[in-house]
Amino acid sequence: DTAVSQTPKYLVTQMGNDKSIKCEQNLGHDTMYWYKQDSKKFLKIMFSYNNKELIINETVPNRFSPKSPDKAHLNLHINSLELGDSAVYFCASSHSQWGSGANVLTFGAGSRLTVL
Amino acid sequence: AQSVTQLGSHVSVSEGALVLLRCNYSSSVPPYLFWYVQYPNQGLQLLLKYTTGATLVKGINGFEAEFKKSETSFHLTKPSAHMSDAAEYFCAVSDTDKLIFGTGTRLQVFP
Repeated sequence: DTAVSQTPKYLVTQMGNDKSIKCEQNLGHDTMYWYKQDSKKFLKIMFSYNNKELIINETVPNRFSPKSPDKAHLNLHINSLELGDSAVYFCASSHSQWGSGANVLTFGAGSRLTVL
Repeated sequence: AQSVTQLGSHVSVSEGALVLLRCNYSSSVPPYLFWYVQYPNQGLQLLLKYTTGATLVKGINGFEAEFKKSETSFHLTKPSAHMSDAAEYFCAVSDTDKLIFGTGTRLQVFP
């Protein structure tokens, strides 16, 4: 039973299209994240939600819009896709130990987005 | 702001040899430090973490890391490499409520 599941695993689309990636966790965690991993394997946080509330938004273009319908789900919608959006997007979740910094993140398997 | 630097983007060892992956951190407060492993086409998996207490931390798959404040380091070691250890390894530091990752080190293991 997958703890953090993302769909789709692979996504190939044309520039200018709009696409969504979905994430669900069954760990009972209250905090969820989106990370972007570029072609050089560099991982950078994009967003974080705690109990459906946006708490981290790291200078991501507003073409990216996260949505958290409940604390077990965090979806990522991307408008007007650009070539530079090609990457692997990872969803993660954790128990919030607010301010303690000791959160252990559990990651999904990733969604590889290719923009042509 | 917190940051980590991983020295060496690629490390190659023979099966049975010592594995040493280097990580140095920069932090204005006592850091919480992590090592994650990423196998091909998979997500990241926690190997071990340091929060407080004992500075030598043991993780899964025979890996361990030692927190050295005087050297601002948190190097990852394994006494004897196995072919299955070939993967990408990421050091990370906690910054309030998110993890800041290093650039990763690819470990290759040769028979």
